[in-house]
Amino acid sequence: NAGVTQTPKFRVLKTGQSMTLLCAQDMNHEYMYWYRQDPGMGLRLIHYSVGEGTTAKGEVPDGYNVSRLKKQNFLLGLESAAPSQTSVYFCASTPDGQGASYTFGSGTRLTVV
Amino acid sequence: DQQVKQNSPSLSVQEGRISILNCDYTNSMFDYFLWYKKYPAEGPTFLISISSIKDKNEDGRFTVFLNKSAKHLSLHIVPSQPGDSAVYFCAASAYSSGTYKYIFGTGTRLKVLA
Repeated sequence: NAGVTQTPKFRVLKTGQSMTLLCAQDMNHEYMYWYRQDPGMGLRLIHYSVGEGTTAKGEVPDGYNVSRLKKQNFLLGLESAAPSQTSVYFCASTPDGQGASYTFGSGTRLTVV
Repeated sequence: DQQVKQNSPSLSVQEGRISILNCDYTNSMFDYFLWYKKYPAEGPTFLISISSIKDKNEDGRFTVFLNKSAKHLSLHIVPSQPGDSAVYFCAASAYSSGTYKYIFGTGTRLKVLA
């Protein structure tokens, strides 16, 4: 049972490049979330999904897009990367939307130069 | 504006002693609070939670206290062990738009000295 798997684990992008971060969960969870963690800041919610085919904006959605075409996958896209998007990105899933049942991935460290 | 604050970025404690991690919040609509633990190169894992209708919740060596009038919660770890060394995040939630939204603090790095 892999839980929540994030791909890739590390990436360096040049300003203006695009990329997609993949989050895959094998627990049949309904809810999925993308957070970013920056020094001196807590985890901040970028986008979330309450079920297959749904997405919604979180606290800091600008510059990101998401898709949840399959229940097990939640993709985070950066269309034109900026240095301000240098961060560690965490995906999480939960069956019921409750924080106590969150399962987090191990993170993707993204550097935009 | 940070709605959930952890004012101590780091804390060092001797093994066997009590560790006290603090968290303050500003939004009185928050009704559920959690603590997560995070080791390097791993995602956060849930540790303990408390509802706003309670003022204390215990789970083994971990106790969370909530003071609603002061908008303050704390995590007590007794006795502290070297394996407790990690970054601890508090989080507060309110229900909105079909799901609970969690606001995380900035984290406190705990180091337990053997």
